[in-house]
Amino acid sequence: DTGVSQNPRHKITKRGQNVTFRCDPISEHNRLYWYRQTLGQGPEFLTYFQNEAQLEKSRLLSDRFSAERPKGSFSTLEIQRTEQGDSAMYLCASSLAHGGGRDTQYFGPGTRLTVL
Amino acid sequence: AQSVTQLDSQVPVFEEAPVELRCNYSSSVSVYLFWYVQYPNQGLQLLLKYLSGSTLVKGINGFEAEFNKSQTSFHLRKPSVHISDTAEYFCAVSLYDTGRRALTFGSGTRLQVQP
Repeated sequence: DTGVSQNPRHKITKRGQNVTFRCDPISEHNRLYWYRQTLGQGPEFLTYFQNEAQLEKSRLLSDRFSAERPKGSFSTLEIQRTEQGDSAMYLCASSLAHGGGRDTQYFGPGTRLTVL
Repeated sequence: AQSVTQLDSQVPVFEEAPVELRCNYSSSVSVYLFWYVQYPNQGLQLLLKYLSGSTLVKGINGFEAEFNKSQTSFHLRKPSVHISDTAEYFCAVSLYDTGRRALTFGSGTRLQVQP
């Protein structure tokens, strides 16, 4: 169990550029989540996958954001036409499905995005 | 909709003193409760969770929390803190058996342990 990994750890981009982040979950975990955390705030849910299916999306996930998990393993989060307001830490988590909302989500170290 | 309130944004405390970090939640359905810790430039690490059963839950690093349904609270406590406990602490809830899997977090409490 090597934990959840995220790449890159830091990304600096100019406004209007596209960026893509990658998340590798714990190997046997079938659920994968994306959260966004701005300075001084708790993480806010963006979206989650069970295997390759995207089952829930937050209203925070505007049409400039897209997430995929093509083979039910790693996931990518793409932000198109970045804006300064997208600057945040993007956290990925994974869990093993249990009944109801009992899952324990294990978090990666995050990708810090700075949009200039 | 559910929400989580962490009443204290910062808690300064001296080393070896006891500490309590407060968490209150609001939800129209039953919830599961979690406390996570975040060290600088790192992701979140689970401290403890309440799913069912005994309302007093023990976690890692000597932390414990008590679920109080009538007061909708889940306060985190440690009898004697160490310098290494300096970090940001987040309380979170997930909804019981609704099909939704998102965690809803509070805004966090920064614990500052002073020598």
